[in-house]
Amino acid sequence: DAMVIQNPRYQVTQFGKPVTLSCSQTLNHNVMYWYQQKSSQAPKLLFHYYDKDFNNEADTPDNFQSRRPNTSFCFLDIRSPGLGDAAMYLCATSRGDYPLSTDTQYFGPGTRLTVL
Amino acid sequence: AQKVTQAQTEISVVEKEDVTLDCVYETRDTTYYLFWYKQPPSGELVFLIRRNSFDEQNEISGRYSWNFQKSTSSFNFTITASQVVDSAVYFCALSGETSGSRLTFGEGTQLTVNP
Repeated sequence: DAMVIQNPRYQVTQFGKPVTLSCSQTLNHNVMYWYQQKSSQAPKLLFHYYDKDFNNEADTPDNFQSRRPNTSFCFLDIRSPGLGDAAMYLCATSRGDYPLSTDTQYFGPGTRLTVL
Repeated sequence: AQKVTQAQTEISVVEKEDVTLDCVYETRDTTYYLFWYKQPPSGELVFLIRRNSFDEQNEISGRYSWNFQKSTSSFNFTITASQVVDSAVYFCALSGETSGSRLTFGEGTQLTVNP
């Protein structure tokens, strides 16, 4: 089945130790998104890629970076995780036939990050 | 600016009851899209429905139905004969011609269905 896959599902890291979360998709969608979701809150968009074009949200901390080496994969790098970065990280994709196309986003299962 | 309001933070019902989740939105876009997503305890956001601003027909899918009313800027979601497996957080979301596929989420409604 075509889907959005996130690995690992649970990640534990130490304060200040870099961590990378991964997302892959078999939908061949142009757009990939990373969201941060804290407890009892709505998902918050960190950034997205339209194909290879990176789009950062204005309030995304510099501590968060992303890479998209090809259509299928996208990575979220947290350079120096703080206690406040503990959250669920959700990856999503959408078709994106053109830059402002309003397609449905399909989400992966998420990675729950714990910072010790 | 776009805004989605889900006034009900938590709802608790007994199995087999009908329940309606409210969603009110604000947008200046002429063309826009409304969504509902379900987030069970496992954490994945599951897409339920997408509705465009030009289609005000109500939709029914099994026990789920949606009532879109432009006059009141509302897109409410009703679960008929609720089941324990319906327990989840439900998010209403909005995108539009000026924001592309970027979603504006409501704060979510936690639905608990008790046996």
